[in-house]
Amino acid sequence: EILLTQSPGTLSLSPGERATLSCRASQSVNSIYVAWYQQKPGQAPRLLIYGASTRATGIPDRFSGSGSGTDFTLTISRLEPEDFAVYYCQQYGNSPYTFGQGAKLDIK
Amino acid sequence: QVQLQESGPGLVKPSGTLSLTCVVSGGSISTNSWWSWVRQSPEKGLEWIGEILHIGSTNYNPSLKSRVTISVDKSKNQFSLTVTSVNAADTAVYYCARRVICSGNICYGLDVWGQGTTVTVSS
Repeated sequence: EILLTQSPGTLSLSPGERATLSCRASQSVNSIYVAWYQQKPGQAPRLLIYGASTRATGIPDRFSGSGSGTDFTLTISRLEPEDFAVYYCQQYGNSPYTFGQGAKLDIK
Repeated sequence: QVQLQESGPGLVKPSGTLSLTCVVSGGSISTNSWWSWVRQSPEKGLEWIGEILHIGSTNYNPSLKSRVTISVDKSKNQFSLTVTSVNAADTAVYYCARRVICSGNICYGLDVWGQGTTVTVSS
């Protein structure tokens, strides 16, 4: 099983700042099988990025993904108030598909 | 626009069987998609349970495989999850979700989710 470790666990920033979230895999993952999700309280996760770097339909261009091998990154260029949430990475190339433990982005 | 809706009992007794259904609306279940189940608990976070194609092919999480069955009912445009011999560790919010089949080197994530249904295992 591929373990995904996200860091930091919590990131406190202000609107307008840049957020960088990391996801490290315990073994190499083909980047076409890496996704990022956003989850707000009481809601289901929402797909932001798939294939490590492709934005899902309707996702603003302030969200970007990058990475390869074992290291992947989600960047939010300029935080909007609605971006404060929990973010998860996922790999779906090797069964069982696994998620990171989540990274909370909260308002400073 | 495809939408998913989970339904099923919110309370299941220990050693009993958990059964949930996910209705697909706004589109056909007989498309190039994996229909998936994911659960979320404070203890384990997000956990992928398994997935099924409309033709019946399945993939399961090995940690749950002995207790889990995912099935599809094309006539009702829905798919289902059954978990046997449940215990407190199966208490979670259960989501159904869609993952479109890879097209060449484009592999989509879980792009449509149900709202989730809370299942508690307790006597």
